[in-house]
Amino acid sequence: NAGVTQTPKFQVLKTGQSMTLQCAQDMNHEYMSWYRQDPGMGLRLIHYSVGAGITDQGEVPNGYNVSRSTTEDFPLRLLSAAPSQTSVYFCASSYSFRGPYEQYFGPGTRLTVT
Amino acid sequence: DAKTTQPNSMESNEEEPVHLPCNHSTISGTDYIHWYRQLPSQGPEYVIHGLTSNVNNRMASLAIAEDRKSSTLILHRATLRDAAVYYCILRDNYGQNFVFGPGTRLSVLP
Repeated sequence: NAGVTQTPKFQVLKTGQSMTLQCAQDMNHEYMSWYRQDPGMGLRLIHYSVGAGITDQGEVPNGYNVSRSTTEDFPLRLLSAAPSQTSVYFCASSYSFRGPYEQYFGPGTRLTVT
Repeated sequence: DAKTTQPNSMESNEEEPVHLPCNHSTISGTDYIHWYRQLPSQGPEYVIHGLTSNVNNRMASLAIAEDRKSSTLILHRATLRDAAVYYCILRDNYGQNFVFGPGTRLSVLP
């Protein structure tokens, strides 16, 4: 298993540009989520999904969209990038939203918005 | 979400045991205690979790107080590779997101 993969690893955007961060998992996990981590801070939840076709907002959803058309993929879209979105983005997946299942994290995407 | 309190930072010497504390005085009966760690420039990784009884795995041990209001993650012999931020998280069994606080930054001295 490849686990949770994220692309790209690094990205530089100009203010106002849009882009999609890709996340995929090959473990047939039901639950997927996106976090952002600012320097020296803990992770904050952006959006999550409890199954294909179902998404919901986390703590900091503004400026981001998600969709979950398949079990494997959970892309995160930045609609109009702002410098405040400069951060490291982590995607995670877990067998189920319910139950004490561990989360598996991807390696992260480091995004800089100038 | 039930809150946890951890020290901001701790230091340990290599090959010595490390006890990382976590207070969670408002824990509910259905909350599991999860520990994750984040090595530099990597995503978090699972360490261990438990409900009421102490738990052991190949990475660490989790000691849970009898009243469940605190817990301790035990690394039996710290290595340089164990230098990381350790997060203690409460999450119930019925469907909740993981909420990451600032965690404890563990430094391991050679």
